[in-house]
Amino acid sequence: KQEVTQIPAALSVPEGENLVLNCSFTDSAIYNLQWFRQDPGKGLTSLLLIQSSQREQTSGRLNASLDKSSGRSTLYIAASQPGDSATYLCAVSPIYGNKLVFGAGTILRVKS
Amino acid sequence: DAMVIQNPRYQVTQFGKPVTLSCSQTLNHNVMYWYQQKSSQAPKLLFHYYDKDFNNEADTPDNFQSRRPNTSFCFLDIRSPGLGDAAMYLCATSRLPQGGETQYFGPGTRLLVL
Repeated sequence: KQEVTQIPAALSVPEGENLVLNCSFTDSAIYNLQWFRQDPGKGLTSLLLIQSSQREQTSGRLNASLDKSSGRSTLYIAASQPGDSATYLCAVSPIYGNKLVFGAGTILRVKS
Repeated sequence: DAMVIQNPRYQVTQFGKPVTLSCSQTLNHNVMYWYQQKSSQAPKLLFHYYDKDFNNEADTPDNFQSRRPNTSFCFLDIRSPGLGDAAMYLCATSRLPQGGETQYFGPGTRLLVL
């Protein structure tokens, strides 16, 4: 059974700092991995999707990497801003089907 | 803009009183999903529809039902809500039910059970 773990559970950083969020999964037979952002009381916004054949994806100040063999992904946020404060969730999609398995998320607070 | 819409955004119901949550989409996607997300936990898939084909997750309680009368709409029915059913309910859509297909999420409905 696929399990997804995110560390740390919460993170507080000063504005401008670069930071890394971690995601690990137990079964490497995945099709892709996605990083989502969730603002308080809101739905999920997809940030980056990495196919299993890819190593990384970049969008603006965000860079996500994937190491399928070790079951790990990282989300790197450069020059963090208060507007980046949110919960960040990662989710893996297994080889068969499109059932996303989510981690519990990392709550990020960027202080101005 | 094409989107996934959920109504209401907040729903309060009483213990044991049936409640229905609504999801609609303008993306014309074939697949619609319902997730349950309890406080500080990961979203958990309850079931999904691929066109009119209903797919229930093995551990979804019988208390939860779903209807999809047409491509655009999907409903989540909770027949007898318990206090443990208080959660954020997220609706999502995708073009096809296969790996690599991006899921688009609605804003969610927060359910409170009194």
